[in-house]
Order: sequence, then structure tokens, then C-alpha cells
Amino acid sequence: DAGITQSPRHKVTETGTPVTLRCHQTENHRYMYWYRQDPGHGLRLIHYSYGVKDTDKGEVSDGYSVSRSKTEDFLLTLESATSSQTSVYFCATKGPTGGRYNSPLHFGNGTRLTVT
Amino acid sequence: QKEVEQNSGPLSVPEGAIASLNCTYSDRGSQSFFWYRQYSGKSPELIMFIYSNGDKEDGRFTAQLNKASQYVSLLIRDSQPSDSATYLCAVNRGTGNQFYFGTGTSLTVIP
Repeated sequence: DAGITQSPRHKVTETGTPVTLRCHQTENHRYMYWYRQDPGHGLRLIHYSYGVKDTDKGEVSDGYSVSRSKTEDFLLTLESATSSQTSVYFCATKGPTGGRYNSPLHFGNGTRLTVT
Repeated sequence: QKEVEQNSGPLSVPEGAIASLNCTYSDRGSQSFFWYRQYSGKSPELIMFIYSNGDKEDGRFTAQLNKASQYVSLLIRDSQPSDSATYLCAVNRGTGNQFYFGTGTSLTVIP
């Protein structure tokens, strides 16, 4: 697959604490994404990046920030974790676009975050 | 209206049968369509993508696209118990950066 590593794989934290999730890719893909997956909601986009230091918001970005200082790393930070942010978080990357059609997303193994 | 809609199921088929999974999308400008399989507790993995109207076959899997009806489907022939998973439909608007996912259809193949 696309060589995507997420860390940590599991995390339990308390309400109000900051949390950072890391995504590392070895494919030199320009585009990187953070999704959360919850029962009944499917995969929802939090933030994405289209290059170093270039990021944009997704549909559920409130309470989250991201940073991308290197092509291979995309960090997701919960500044002050809340119980509503308990979820499974997936990082994904996308290869280059070919003409009018888009390359598929490839996903990391996920991080299960529990906020107590 | 949701961008992408799928029947949540569960869909049960006997081993060896054809499983048919359906997906509709709302944006007529959508150009790229993807099917992912997700086993419980695992990450989504790409099965197929389709860009043009018609059928695209890959082994036991066939993706079908009808842009006029805004409908994309996945057929799984000779279903196996190992095909039991949740299948996610994803749609992308041309070369846009955002992908929209359905909530997935749970498939169970009964031995």
C-alpha cells in the first residue's frame, strides 16, 4: 500500500488535555487528509493538506488544527480534547491527479482515540 | 441531501451468490468514483475505481456507473465469507481535493 503510518494506534486522554496525532508517509504524495469515522456518520473530513504549509478545512474542522512542515508528515492536534472527539481517526494520502480524473485515497491503519 | 448515499444494510447473501451494493450521489459534476472495503476494526482498502459510464471488471468485482442516473454500484460474483465487510462508496468532483463518502453497506456472506 501507500506506506502510511499513524501514531499512536490507541490513545486514552482526559477532557481538556491537548492531543497530537501523527501521520507519516513514504510515497512523497502531495495530498494528505485527516478523517474521523463514527457509527452512523461514516468518514468525515477534518482537514487536508495540498502541500507543505498548505492546508484547508473539511466539514468537521472545529476543535482541530493541523500542521505540515514536511511532505511526509501531517499532524492533527486537538487543542483541548472533548468527549465528542472520541473517534477513530484515519490519515489518507492521494497520488497525483491525472487530467480530469482523480487518484484514489490510500489510508493508514487508524488511531483509536478515547476522551474520558 | 447527503452528497453520497448508501443503504446501510445489513445485506446478507449465501456463499457463491452475487452481492449487489448500490450508491447514489447528488453532484452531477462528480467525475471519479471509488469503492472501498473495510473489515471491522481495520482501515478502508481500495477495491476499484471507475471514471466512465458503463462497467469495469476486476476479478470477481464489477463496478457499474450511470452518470445520467447518478448511480454507481458494485457487484461481487461468487461471494465468499471473506467478503463479509462494510463497503464504502466515495465520490470526487473532478480534480477537486475533497472526497465524499457514504456511510457504508454492511455485507455478510453466509457459508
